[in-house]
Amino acid sequence: QSALTQPASVSGSPGQSITISCTGTSSDVGGYNYVSWYQQHPGKAPKVMIYDVSNRPSGVSNRFSGSKSGNAASLTISGLQAEDEADYYCFSYTSSTTLVFGGGTRLTVL
Amino acid sequence: EVQLLESGGGLVQPGGSLRLSCATSGFTFSSFWMHWVRQAPGKGLVWVSRVNSDGSDTFYADAVKGRFTISRDNAKNTVYLQMNSLRAEDTAFYYCAGGKRGTFPDYWGQGTLVTVSS
Repeated sequence: QSALTQPASVSGSPGQSITISCTGTSSDVGGYNYVSWYQQHPGKAPKVMIYDVSNRPSGVSNRFSGSKSGNAASLTISGLQAEDEADYYCFSYTSSTTLVFGGGTRLTVL
Repeated sequence: EVQLLESGGGLVQPGGSLRLSCATSGFTFSSFWMHWVRQAPGKGLVWVSRVNSDGSDTFYADAVKGRFTISRDNAKNTVYLQMNSLRAEDTAFYYCAGGKRGTFPDYWGQGTLVTVSS
């Protein structure tokens, strides 16, 4: 149950687009379309932004999108806004019937 | 309004036990999978455990298997985490979370802090 691999940090200017990668194995990310993404602001509970690789829950901005190719998933945020500055975590179902988070990525809006 | 309220955290010595509770309201608890997720101060999220809607299936991360037990009382809309043989590395904020699907939780509590130290 090793954590999924994410970059420690990414940054972008307002209005730009950024992509956060999440790399796993064929036993988790690559094996199932059960990848979700969470946003967490400091001192707050996580909030689901994407589920089942590319689906957005009601109320989440369409600036957020998800995709997957092989053993890697990605979260793209377009039209960056100051409020997007937060930590982002990918989350996947695994072949062991457990779940696993990525290590997290700190997004800085310059 | 959906609410999840964790309680039971605190300071415990290594080797000790603690029972966390998570009281919920505002959604059909008996139809939801429930999870526990932890986060050491300044660190990332770690999935701990989940239980299906009727409590018949439970799943655990390797790091807690055999020491932690998740359970639920659908009559009380509450999920529990019994934590035994606690170690310093179990120190973290513990969040309860729920979802209609077992593969990701939608609703989250605000967390309760567990500190394992002598």
